[in-house]
Amino acid sequence: QKEVEQDPGPLSVPEGAIVSLNCTYSNSAFQYFMWYRQYSRKGPELLMYTYSSGNKEDGRFTAQVDKSSKYISLFIRDSQPSDSATYLCAMFPYQGGKLIFGQGTELSVKP
Amino acid sequence: DAGVIQSPRHEVTEMGQEVTLRCKPISGHNSLFWYRQTMMRGLELLIYFNNNVPIDDSGMPEDRFSAKMPNASFSTLKIQPSEPRDSAVYFCASSWGTDEKLFFGSGTQLSVL
Repeated sequence: QKEVEQDPGPLSVPEGAIVSLNCTYSNSAFQYFMWYRQYSRKGPELLMYTYSSGNKEDGRFTAQVDKSSKYISLFIRDSQPSDSATYLCAMFPYQGGKLIFGQGTELSVKP
Repeated sequence: DAGVIQSPRHEVTEMGQEVTLRCKPISGHNSLFWYRQTMMRGLELLIYFNNNVPIDDSGMPEDRFSAKMPNASFSTLKIQPSEPRDSAVYFCASSWGTDEKLFFGSGTQLSVL
């Protein structure tokens, strides 16, 4: 079993839809959680960074962490074609610990 | 800042040849990471350096892979000899200290025929 599980998709939604992307993990030591966005033929770029359980908002993006269920989510409101990319969750147990990435979910937002 | 710079963007080589990938991290960052990305395995950490010193190379698949960081502004990842199963996108990333907010380069697409 992988330490971090993420549905690879692809996920296709119409413009304006709410998108939910999810990851589950098995290692209860993970404390820091991130979401990276990767456009085609580009490197991943950091989108959201959270530490504690609960929600963190940044514009149209909300990151949610549920440590008791070992489950994290990224919500995208009012999705746009420019949001079409692969979204990777990532997590690590402590400062300096090894960062583990999910497989990535490919998202396509249709105009 | 120009960000993390990798070269070449694309590399096509024949099995058995030596391949050298290059990376210039963001100025001021003191941690550097080499990742490999494939459809099957996703993004895998190969090795990372802190203050130019290799800290964890447990992800390096075989002795055919080696990495160096001679100074704070340059690193190389070498594969010798290369094999078709090494075909992947290789990313370099850098960060400040133990803050795991990684900044990635655009990657090198390696094809070994």
